[in-house]
Amino acid sequence: QKEVEQDPGPLSVPEGAIVSLNCTYSNSAFQYFMWYRQYSRKGPELLMYTYSSGNKEDGRFTAQVDKSSKYISLFIRDSQPSDSATYLCAMTRNSGNTPLVFGKGTRLSVIA
Amino acid sequence: GAGVSQSPRYKVAKRGQDVALRCDPISGHVSLFWYQQALGQGPEFLTYFQNEAQLDKSGLPSDRFFAERPEGSVSTLKIQRTQQEDSAVYLCASSLGSKSYGYTFGSGTRLTVV
Repeated sequence: QKEVEQDPGPLSVPEGAIVSLNCTYSNSAFQYFMWYRQYSRKGPELLMYTYSSGNKEDGRFTAQVDKSSKYISLFIRDSQPSDSATYLCAMTRNSGNTPLVFGKGTRLSVIA
Repeated sequence: GAGVSQSPRYKVAKRGQDVALRCDPISGHVSLFWYQQALGQGPEFLTYFQNEAQLDKSGLPSDRFFAERPEGSVSTLKIQRTQQEDSAVYLCASSLGSKSYGYTFGSGTRLTVV
């Protein structure tokens, strides 16, 4: 079993829909949780960063962390065709330069 | 430069050939990571530099993989005697400080071993 599990999809939604993406993990030492967006043939770019449990909102994006369930989510409101990409969750033990552990990514298509 | 630059963007190597992949981090960034991303997978950690010091190489899959950053800026990932299982996108990321969320990734080098 991998440390971080993420359903690879693909996930296809109509424009304007609310998208829910999630990951589960097994290592209780993880404290810092991130969501990255990766367009085809590009490197990942950071979308959201959360420390420990709780919610964080940034525009149309909301990240949630439930450490008791070892479960993290990313919600995208009013999804747009430009949101079509692969979304990767990532996590690490501390805020120093320790390696990130990534999920395998969920491929999202938003259809106009 | 404005971002992390990697070259070449694409590399085709015959099995057994040696390859060298280059990463130009953002100017002034002291931290530099290499990750390997196989098709349909998330990136997996290879190695980490702080300035010229290689502080963690625990992710390098074999002794065929070698990375260096001699002057604390440009880094090179070298793979000797390439195998088909080395086919992947190799991503470089750099960071100004010590926070794990502050990485900027390059677009990667796609290596295909035939």
